[in-house]
Amino acid sequence: EAAVTQSPRNKVAVTGGKVTLSCNQTNNHNNMYWYRQDTGHGLRLIHYSYGAGSTEKGDIPDGYKASRPSQENFSLILELATPSQTSVYFCASGDGAGGDGAETLYFGSGTRLTVL
Amino acid sequence: GDSVTQTEGLVTLTEGLPVMLNCTYQSTYSPFLFWYVQHLNEAPKLLLKSFTDNKRPEHQGFHATLHKSSSSFHLQKSSAQLSDSALYYCALSDGGTGSKLSFGKGAKLTVSP
Repeated sequence: EAAVTQSPRNKVAVTGGKVTLSCNQTNNHNNMYWYRQDTGHGLRLIHYSYGAGSTEKGDIPDGYKASRPSQENFSLILELATPSQTSVYFCASGDGAGGDGAETLYFGSGTRLTVL
Repeated sequence: GDSVTQTEGLVTLTEGLPVMLNCTYQSTYSPFLFWYVQHLNEAPKLLLKSFTDNKRPEHQGFHATLHKSSSSFHLQKSSAQLSDSALYYCALSDGGTGSKLSFGKGAKLTVSP
């Protein structure tokens, strides 16, 4: 039973179109994150949230918006998709400081987005 | 700002040989260091983490010692297995709730018979 579920698993979009990537977590974690994964760049943080109604910009937020309508759901929105946004996108929930002060992230299985 | 430099790209090993993936970091504070592993078509997941200087956490045969004097957190395993083939990320945070992780660029380890 996956605790972080992303949808869709694969998506093909056209340049200029709107894309919404969805993430649902059943971990009851306050913190959620969106990363993109590209060869040669690793995992880069796009947006994150500390709880329902909050969103924060990560390291590469340009061209992306985020929405956190509830504790469980965190969406990534590409209003005007471009080919440079072709990537694999990972959502994660974080357990806060945890017992030892270090937050552990729990990732979903990813969404492969291709923008033509 | 905080940053991580790790062994990058493709790393190919023969089964039974030792694994060593390097990770060094720059941080203003006293950071937490992590290794995440991602097997093919799976989600990244935590392998190891440490905050304490010279402490050596272990998991699934892997270990890494945080050396603050050299700002390093190298991942090691004495004998590689075929199932160790995966993408490995070193990551850093300055600790605490909601502290963002900074990931290295990743190393793809392939273990062959």
